[in-house]
Formats: sequence, structure tokens, C-alpha cells
Amino acid sequence: DAGVIQSPRHEVTEMGQEVTLRCKPISGHDYLFWYRQTMMRGLELLIYFNNNVPIDDSGMPEDRFSAKMPNASFSTLKIQPSEPRDSAVYFCASSRQGIDYGYTFGSGTRLTVV
Amino acid sequence: AQTVTQSQPEMSVQEAETVTLSCTYDTSESDYYLFWYKQPPSRQMILVIRQEAYKQQNATENRFSVNFQKAAKSFSLKISDSQLGDAAMYFCAYRIPFGNEKLTFGTGTRLTIIP
Repeated sequence: DAGVIQSPRHEVTEMGQEVTLRCKPISGHDYLFWYRQTMMRGLELLIYFNNNVPIDDSGMPEDRFSAKMPNASFSTLKIQPSEPRDSAVYFCASSRQGIDYGYTFGSGTRLTVV
Repeated sequence: AQTVTQSQPEMSVQEAETVTLSCTYDTSESDYYLFWYKQPPSRQMILVIRQEAYKQQNATENRFSVNFQKAAKSFSLKISDSQLGDAAMYFCAYRIPFGNEKLTFGTGTRLTIIP
């Protein structure tokens, strides 16, 4: 198993541009999570899906952020328009319901908005 | 709301010695899971150890063990025979088992290994 795959690993963009982060969860996992990590705020849950359906998006900062999961093997997190304060590491993670192994994380995307 | 507190922003230990990282949490649930994650400079989040709240026996994984005190809501991580590769950020995390699968993380402890 290749684990949770995120792309790109690094992204540098200019303020105002649209940014799309991508995630492929582990096959068979029915939960998918998007977290953001910053020095100031630590690890924050942005949104999570169960069986491709968004369950809790209360952590999404504002309307500039949106996430989709069109099928069980793919999810995107989009920021439009991007701002410098969005600079962070964005993690995707997946897990299986009823299995207490915690999450399996992707390697994260470091986003820098200049 | 559940909260997880790690009161030690930084810790250091001599190589081959033992170090304990602290974690406390607040919850009204009786059944839940606790985890320790390691984040080395590569930034990959790696599961180190997990503990089910209904189990009294402390979890152990090789050189890593926990001291779980349910009444005190304390969940510390002990690393024995510290190695240079143990240098990382360590995060304590909490999750209830059903209905809401999200993990709540502490703020982390940066562990430095002194050669």
C-alpha cells in the first residue's frame, strides 16, 4: 500500500491566485480528513468526510476555502483567492471506521503565498 | 469540548537515557482512544503508540510506553534508551471511538536528543 498520497509537496503562489491541493486516501478507508498546521495554531481540523460526504466543515476558515471528495479515492482542497495568511502545511489523512489505529497521514503540502 | 494539553513545549535528553513527555486531556466521555504521534523534520506524521481508555494495561511498543492515568486524565509517553532518530515533535491526540472520528491534538513537544 502506497499510503496517503498528497500533491504537490510544495506550492508557492502569489496572493490572489487559486490553489488546489490533492489527496488520494488509502484504499478501503472511509474517512478522510484535511488538517492545517501552523506555528501559531498547531494542527487544526479543517473538514472531514465519511464515505465521500462532508461531515464537519466547521474548521474551514472562510468561504475562500472549499473541499470536495468526488469519489472514494480522491479529494481536493481549494483556496480561492489565496492570501499570505494561508501559508501553512496542509495534511490529508485517512482512517477506517471502527479501527482504532488512528489516522494515516500523507506527507503534507507546504503552501507559501507571497 | 475535548481539549488536549501538552505543557512542555521543549524537552531534551541525553542519548541512551529515558525521557517522559506529558499530556493531559479533558473529556466527559468514558470510552475513547489516545495516541502519540511523532513528526520528524521530514514533517511526516507517524503513529507511535495508542491506548484504549477501557484498557487498564499501559500500552507498550518497543522502547515507547505510556503511563495512562484515567482518573487523572493523564497520558504520558516514556521513551527508553533514547536514540538520535527520536528527535522530533511529539503530539498527543484524543478521539472518541464512534460517531465522531476526528482527532484532537495537543500543541506538541519538541524533543532534542543530545549525543
